[in-house]
Amino acid sequence: EVQLVESGGGLVQPGGSLRLSCEASGFTFSFYWMFWVRQAPGKGLEWVANMNEDGRERHYVDSVKGRFTISRDSAKNSLYLQMNSLRAEDTAIYYCARPSNSHDSSAPIDYWGQGTLVTVS
Amino acid sequence: EIVLTQSPATLSLSPGERATLSCRASQNVNNLLVWYQQRPGQAPRLLIYDASNRATGIPARFSGSGSGTDFTLTISSLEPEDFAVYYCQQRISWPPVFTFGPGTKVDIK
Repeated sequence: EVQLVESGGGLVQPGGSLRLSCEASGFTFSFYWMFWVRQAPGKGLEWVANMNEDGRERHYVDSVKGRFTISRDSAKNSLYLQMNSLRAEDTAIYYCARPSNSHDSSAPIDYWGQGTLVTVS
Repeated sequence: EIVLTQSPATLSLSPGERATLSCRASQNVNNLLVWYQQRPGQAPRLLIYDASNRATGIPARFSGSGSGTDFTLTISSLEPEDFAVYYCQQRISWPPVFTFGPGTKVDIK
């Protein structure tokens, strides 16, 4: 069974940093692009970042470029999001997500974690 | 950047009624349009991919149509568990930052 379990959320002051983790199981992690998607309280979904299978290719939404860094450790089957210079508008539930097809950056997301809440205040 | 617009923002219907949700893209996305359902307190769930293909385990009352810039999600007869928020997403842009629409909330009339 595919599982994605996020951790690392919490309350942080503006300008602070936080590192989110996502532990993956039930599939061959090193075969998949992986994504971070966020959702501000009461708002819609926002694509944040993604990374290819070997970690050499990364993409970010404009609003987090230069502040957030996505990374992964295939030995630990884990995905990370290092968030620096946090702003109030970064307050959201952050979801780790997996596409439906291996080796495919654009496949639809078929598995989501339960999310971890980041509050910047 | 491809912008997705969804209408209406809220759709108030009764169980058993038909729901028709719209998603419009600012540029041609061919058929690379995805629909997700999100129930309160839950992560999104994949419903429809490539405009008209139901994901695994999705009931036949859900159907998608459209291509290019105009897409529709139809729920033929609303069940109680279908009252939720529905998001469309494009998966054509490069770099691969795949924007979502703002969502349509289907609530009970």
